Amino acid sequence: DTAVSQTPKYLVTQMGNDKSIKCEQNLGHDTMYWYKQDSKKFLKIMFSYNNKELIINETVPNRFSPKSPDKAHLNLHINSLELGDSAVYFCASSYGLVGETQYFGPGTRLLVL
Amino acid sequence: AQSVTQLDSHVSVSEGTPVLLRCNYSSSYSPSLFWYVQHPNKGLQLLLKYTSAATLVKGINGFEAEFKKSETSFHLTKPSAHMSDAAEYFCVVSRKGSTLGRLYFGRGTQLTVWP
Repeated sequence: DTAVSQTPKYLVTQMGNDKSIKCEQNLGHDTMYWYKQDSKKFLKIMFSYNNKELIINETVPNRFSPKSPDKAHLNLHINSLELGDSAVYFCASSYGLVGETQYFGPGTRLLVL
Repeated sequence: AQSVTQLDSHVSVSEGTPVLLRCNYSSSYSPSLFWYVQHPNKGLQLLLKYTSAATLVKGINGFEAEFKKSETSFHLTKPSAHMSDAAEYFCVVSRKGSTLGRLYFGRGTQLTVWP
């Protein structure tokens, strides 16, 4: 029933490791996003995909690589994790791009030790 | 350019009293405006959305917000706070007509509700 789901919910890992976060939406949306929420709860967009095409690519280290195998999935792979990557990562989806409501997943809490 | 300013980082009210969370925006174009709520350790839930229809927008859980173009404000209100309203609230702006779907988030307002 969950509209936008993410796995895992929690991720604790060592510096230097590579990890992936998966996102799936069953709303039939054609646009998906990744956001990062820092320790002060500030949310900033990282990437967005529309129909599997990369639309937004903010100033994010190239250690972060999104992949969209189809319109319902958007995964985030992070190489060589650093302490500063610790944050909550939210996936979201919407119909199209033009001021549309975005629906958020529950978040993945990443802690890099 | 788009930006959002939430004027209070923390608001505390007693249960049963009114809630006012203030938001000012700047936008070079007609904006879409949203309020999202985030309960502890949860994702973001849409409370309400303004897209140039009625300037007074009603949302879920008794919340409403009024778009005031002259004041560039979109304040969130509720007549009577409930304990379950305690959460972080985000004012968000998106540029209508944008081809990028970019949302700009305010810094959030933490609402505390005292019994």
